[in-house]
Amino acid sequence: AQSVTQPDIHITVSEGASLELRCNYSYGATPYLFWYVQSPGQGLQLLLKYFSGDTLVQGIKGFEAEFKRSQSSFNLRKPSVHWSDAAEYFCAVGPLGNEKLTFGTGTRLTIIP
Amino acid sequence: DAGITQSPRYKITETGRQVTLMCHQTWSHSYMFWYRQDLGHGLRLIYYSAAADITDKGEVPDGYVVSRSKTENFPLTLESATRSQTSVYFCASRGTSGSVQYFGPGTRLTVL
Repeated sequence: AQSVTQPDIHITVSEGASLELRCNYSYGATPYLFWYVQSPGQGLQLLLKYFSGDTLVQGIKGFEAEFKRSQSSFNLRKPSVHWSDAAEYFCAVGPLGNEKLTFGTGTRLTIIP
Repeated sequence: DAGITQSPRYKITETGRQVTLMCHQTWSHSYMFWYRQDLGHGLRLIYYSAAADITDKGEVPDGYVVSRSKTENFPLTLESATRSQTSVYFCASRGTSGSVQYFGPGTRLTVL
């Protein structure tokens, strides 16, 4: 069965500092991988996705993620965070051609001045 | 409005009552999904639908009923609400050509 682990429940980062949110997945074949962001009281917005090809994926709002098959990871990064990045971030995995996404439990990001 | 909408946005009900949450999308997406979001669990799939009149169970289907008579609508019914169904419910949709799901704004349901 597919699964996703986001080991960090809550991360606090200073504005302007770099960010890395961790995501580890479990799936037997090549997965579809996603990062979504949820601002308070809002729905989920897609940040980026990985289906195949280049393992470094660029997304919206200056985010990027790197797929590392050997480590079963898909960590999200941003070189310099802004106060508006404060939100909850979810990693998700889905098998190729299958509609069932499995989400991690999320990482809440707090930005301090 | 274009996109995916949910109604109501907030609902308070009592144990044992029937509640229906609505989801409507304007993209003519084939697939639609219902998730619940609970602290410590992330999002868990309740039911999904691949097309009108085709539905299937997700991870946590007990206590919920869905139907899909039209492509654009996917209502979720709690036939006899329980306190454990207090949650935030998200609807999502995606087309057949890709796996990106687009989410609605959510419905916060409280069962007293």
